[in-house]
Amino acid sequence: QKEVEQDPGPLSVPEGAIVSLNCTYSNSAFQYFMWYRQYSRKGPELLMYTYSSGNKEDGRFTAQVDKSSKYISLFIRDSQPSDSATYLCAMSGGSSASKIIFGSGTRLSIRP
Amino acid sequence: DTAVSQTPKYLVTQMGNDKSIKCEQNLGHDTMYWYKQDSKKFLKIMFSYNNKELIINETVPNRFSPKSPDKAHLNLHINSLELGDSAVYFCASSQGTLQFFGPGTRLTVL
Repeated sequence: QKEVEQDPGPLSVPEGAIVSLNCTYSNSAFQYFMWYRQYSRKGPELLMYTYSSGNKEDGRFTAQVDKSSKYISLFIRDSQPSDSATYLCAMSGGSSASKIIFGSGTRLSIRP
Repeated sequence: DTAVSQTPKYLVTQMGNDKSIKCEQNLGHDTMYWYKQDSKKFLKIMFSYNNKELIINETVPNRFSPKSPDKAHLNLHINSLELGDSAVYFCASSQGTLQFFGPGTRLTVL
């Protein structure tokens, strides 16, 4: 079993829809939870991060962490074509404190 | 100014050749990394240096040798390139947990 599981998609939704992206993980020692956005032929860009459980909101983006279920989510409200990218969840903590474990990424396409 | 930069952006070479990729960060971070991203977008860590000292060395063939001349630079030298080395290589830096990535070097081995 991989430490971090993420549905690769692709996920295609119409403009304006609410998007939900999710990851599950197996290592209960993870404490930092991150979402990276990667446009085609570009480097991953840190989008949001949370420490431990709870929610964090930044504009149209909300990150949620449920440590009891080992499940994290990224919600995008009022999705725009410019949100079309691959979204990678990432985590660190415990014996993996010095490195980040990435999910395989979900490819998202927003249709105008 | 770009925070994490890599050169070259594209690298096309023949099997068996030796090549280097360079990375520089101007963020003042202490830690730098090399990642390999395959065609399925899976991002896998290869090496990490903290203040010029190697702290992470994943299971990577010893044809790959990182070198950190100072904490702002981390280079990757690859000997005897193989077809399976074709991928995008990303450099990243961090001060603490959050990592910031360079634009990537797309390596194609023919």
